[in-house]
Parts: sequence; structure tokens; C-alpha cells
Amino acid sequence: DQQVKQNSPSLSVQEGRISILNCDYTNSMFDYFLWYKKYPAEGPTFLISISSIKDKNEDGRFTVFLNKSAKHLSLHIVPSQPGDSAVYFCAASAGFGNEKLTFGTGTRLTIIP
Amino acid sequence: GAGVSQSPRYKVAKRGQDVALRCDPISGHVSLFWYQQALGQGPEFLTYFQNEAQLDKSGLPSDRFFAERPEGSVSTLKIQRTQQEDSAVYLCASSLWGGLAPYNEQFFGPGTRLTVL
Repeated sequence: DQQVKQNSPSLSVQEGRISILNCDYTNSMFDYFLWYKKYPAEGPTFLISISSIKDKNEDGRFTVFLNKSAKHLSLHIVPSQPGDSAVYFCAASAGFGNEKLTFGTGTRLTIIP
Repeated sequence: GAGVSQSPRYKVAKRGQDVALRCDPISGHVSLFWYQQALGQGPEFLTYFQNEAQLDKSGLPSDRFFAERPEGSVSTLKIQRTQQEDSAVYLCASSLWGGLAPYNEQFFGPGTRLTVL
């Protein structure tokens, strides 16, 4: 049972435009959500996170939106840059005292120059 | 180095062999996690340590998998009698402190790619 789902395996976006990556979850116990970015032959690196008490968190070009009623979150990257080309994983945690992460299957983002 | 390191980076084993994968977390990090990432999938949780205590091993797929962190720093993931389905990238992550809100960022190592022939 896939508790965190990323239904788009790949996404191509023109440089300078907005990239929107989507993620859905099924477990109501999740209360902290994260996006990780992964380059080939490297481990995932933390990008941005959001607590379930918020509906938006922004950090520079990256914004994460959380819709708890729909159990949906999205990552917006604007403007998209060639260095953003990577695999993006959505992850969730049941939080306090239970920090193991449940990951989605990833979305490969390609920024077209 | 300042990051999480893992060794070896690549390991090829014949079916039935035992393997040991090492993780050196960031100095001072209390929490340590192991994840398994199969090809085309996201990382899946295996086990979690807080200092030397293994608090959660619910993700270990079978009793052939064993992890330890005897002194609360370096950790070893051991797989006995490897099978082809064990082929995956094994990722280690550490975080500064366990069990506190807000969530503490996990820093990942580069992983060990295990191929079982």
C-alpha cells in the first residue's frame, strides 16, 4: 500500500517557467511533509518542508503548499533553472517521536534551456 | 568530511554471501536511519537508532537483515545469505536530535549500491 504517491514519473519545463510537482498521501497520521532533491549517485538532499499546521511555506524560489482536506501537497519552483533538473521525492513523517520518512516514488524534473 | 559517509560505495555479492555496509553519520548526530531504495522506487525505511538504541526495526524485510550501532556513532547494516531481491541502494541518514518538534532534517549519505548475482 503506497501511502505517499507521486503520480507523475517525469516532468519537463522550460527554463524560467514554473515547475509544479504534486504529491498525494493517504495516512492521516502524517503531520510533517518534506521535499527532497536527488542527483544521480548522490543521496537525497533536503529542500523544503511544511508542518500540517500550515498551508504554505516559502523559501526563495521554492514554495510548498499543503491541502490537508485533500491530502495533497505540491512543490512550486519559480523561476525554474537548469540546475533544478533532478529527481524530486515527496516524503512524510508521523512526527513527534516517530521521525522515519515515508517516500513517494519520485518525479524526474527536466528543465529545458 | 562534514557529511554522512558510507562504504563501500558499490558492492557486488554472489547469492548466499554475507555483506556488511558501513555508515559514518555526521559527528554529534543522535539519530541514524537506514533506508533501502530499489530501482525506480523511493527510499523505504528499514531501521532507526537513537544513540546506540535501536528503537524501530519494523522495516527490516527479513531476519537476514541486522543493524547495529554499538557506540552510538558508526552503524553497520549486515545482510546474511544475500538474495537477488536484496539488490538495491542502501541509504543511511542522520539527524541532530530525535523526538523533538519541529521535525529534524535528515542528512543522507551517498548510499551503497548492492548488486547480488
